[in-house]
Amino acid sequence: GQQLNQSPQSMFIQEGEDVSMNCTSSSIFNTWLWYKQDPGEGPVLLIALYKAGELTSNGRLTAQFGITRKDSFLNISASIPSDVGIYFCAGQLNSNYQLIWGAGTKLIIKP
Amino acid sequence: NAGVTQTPKFQVLKTGQSMTLQCAQDMNHNSMYWYRQDPGMGLRLIYYSASEGTTDKGEVPNGYNVSRLNKREFSLRLESAAPSQTSVYFCASSELVTSGDTQYFGPGTRLTVL
Repeated sequence: GQQLNQSPQSMFIQEGEDVSMNCTSSSIFNTWLWYKQDPGEGPVLLIALYKAGELTSNGRLTAQFGITRKDSFLNISASIPSDVGIYFCAGQLNSNYQLIWGAGTKLIIKP
Repeated sequence: NAGVTQTPKFQVLKTGQSMTLQCAQDMNHNSMYWYRQDPGMGLRLIYYSASEGTTDKGEVPNGYNVSRLNKREFSLRLESAAPSQTSVYFCASSELVTSGDTQYFGPGTRLTVL
């Protein structure tokens, strides 16, 4: 089946640092979504991207839809403790409406 | 608004037992979905229902059946559970199944099959 490559798999950062993660695919997507999952909860949508080249912010979070439509990245500026969790990218193909998910980036803040 | 609710939250089954996972949404959404989440992997779609009265297979439908009972409720049934079905199951809903629509997730059901 379709796959998204999400990296890094995990990140250990200091509070206050900026964070960057990305997803790549061999397929072209018409939508990129970024979700966050807290322990014991379902994923929650952070940012949705609908056009190639689109750059969208949500507070300290910024995400971009790659020009080739095969990649996307998410940046978090000045990380805080509540940013810990697992971040997932998901892409939606034009041919059907199913979401294809990355394996997630686990964000851990070092004490 | 409770959003998307799932029952039970935890379940342990023996191989060969059957069970039904329940999901309900109170957002008047047309589309509902069942996913499974395994360690180190992204969510994988099991089945979805684009609208009341319709269901379609997702990426990993084998071993599962679904019922869209009404607009609010979408259940997932394991007829004969296997250890490979040990996973966290998430139900989600969205206004429409069309491109880019936001999916809202329930808290998940953690299933262990011994």
